[in-house]
Formats: sequence, C-alpha cells, structure tokens
Amino acid sequence: AQSVTQLGSHVSVSEGALVLLRCNYSSSVPPYLFWYVQYPNQGLQLLLKYTSAATLVKGINGFEAEFKKSETSFHLTKPSAHMSDAAEYFCAVSRGTSYGKLTFGQGTILTVHP
Amino acid sequence: DGGITQSPKYLFRKEGQNVTLSCEQNLNHDAMYWYRQDPGQGLRLIYYSQIVNDFQKGDIAEGYSVSREKKESFPLTVTSAQKNPTAFYLCASLSKIDRDTGELFFGEGSRLTVL
Repeated sequence: AQSVTQLGSHVSVSEGALVLLRCNYSSSVPPYLFWYVQYPNQGLQLLLKYTSAATLVKGINGFEAEFKKSETSFHLTKPSAHMSDAAEYFCAVSRGTSYGKLTFGQGTILTVHP
Repeated sequence: DGGITQSPKYLFRKEGQNVTLSCEQNLNHDAMYWYRQDPGQGLRLIYYSQIVNDFQKGDIAEGYSVSREKKESFPLTVTSAQKNPTAFYLCASLSKIDRDTGELFFGEGSRLTVL
C-alpha cells in the first residue's frame, strides 16, 4: 500500500527566503509522485510530477523537487519565496497502475511574510 | 477552453437532506473521480469511474452515490446516511495519455455545509 507523509502542516518563510516543503512516501512499486498547489476555495493545480525520467524535476512558478529513492523523499523547493506562493501544497503518490487513484499527504500550508 | 465545471460552488443544506453535486468536463477524458477534502486530512477518494456506465467505490464511499450515464458528467449525491457531510468536494478527471502516471486534472470544488 502507498502512503505519503508531509512533515509540517504549516511552514512560514519570509519573502525572498528558501522554500522547503518535505514529503516522504512509501510505495511497494516504483512510484509516480506529484506536487499540487491549492489556493483558498479553489481546486488543485499540478506543480510538477516525477515519472521516473529525471530525478530532479522542474515545475511551474520556479518550483522544483528531487526524487531520492534511498530516502523515499520528494521534497519541494523554491530558491526565493514570493508572496503569491502562499497556498496549501499537497504531495501525492500514484498507486502503481491504479489508473488515477492517488494517495495524498495531509497538506502543508505555506505562509509568506513580507 | 477545456476544463471541469463543478456546481454549485457553495451549498448549504439541512441535516437529513440528500444533496447532488454536479461535475461536467469537456476534456474528453474517460476517467472521472470524486475526492473529499477535510482540513489537515488531505484528499480522500470517494468514487471513481473509468468508463461510462461503470464506477467503483473508493476509500470512503459510505453515504455517497454516483452515476455515469454520459462521458462528460459524473454527479455525486451526498445522502442522509453520510454521518459528517460538511466538507470540500473535488471532482477530477484523467486522460488516457496520463493513465499510467495517474496525473489528475481538478475542478474548482464545491463546498457543502450541513446545518
């Protein structure tokens, strides 16, 4: 069975500071991993995904994530936070060939201070 | 532009009433999904449908029902049997191209509040 743990339900950074959101997963098969972003009262938008091509994945809005198999991690980073990055972020793992059934982490709310 | 339309965006209902949430997509995607979101719990799968006239229970199907009579539409009914229906409900779809990876495309959500 797959599972996802996001470390830290709330992360607060200053504008211009590094953003690091942590995600660890467990999977019995090689995983497909995703980061989604959600703004208040809106749906989820895909930031980036890992599909076994490159371990360092670049996404939209300057975000990137690195797949580390040995650490079962897929942490999300951005070198310099912007006020518009304030949102909730979800890490998710695809359940193998389960045709779109994703297992989501609990979410991390990112606050950006001026 | 292609996308998923969920309606209504906000819905208030009295306890004991059934409620139907609409989900329509014009992306020509075969598979559609309903997820429930509660604060601090991430998203949990309620029901999904891979083709028309077929659907399967997800992890928390009790108290919910769905239908898939058309490819474009996947309505969710929250019945009076659902013990705690107040939540944010998200509809999603999946294209054949993304079938193996499982990358979902989401609607804007419907917030149901039961008074």
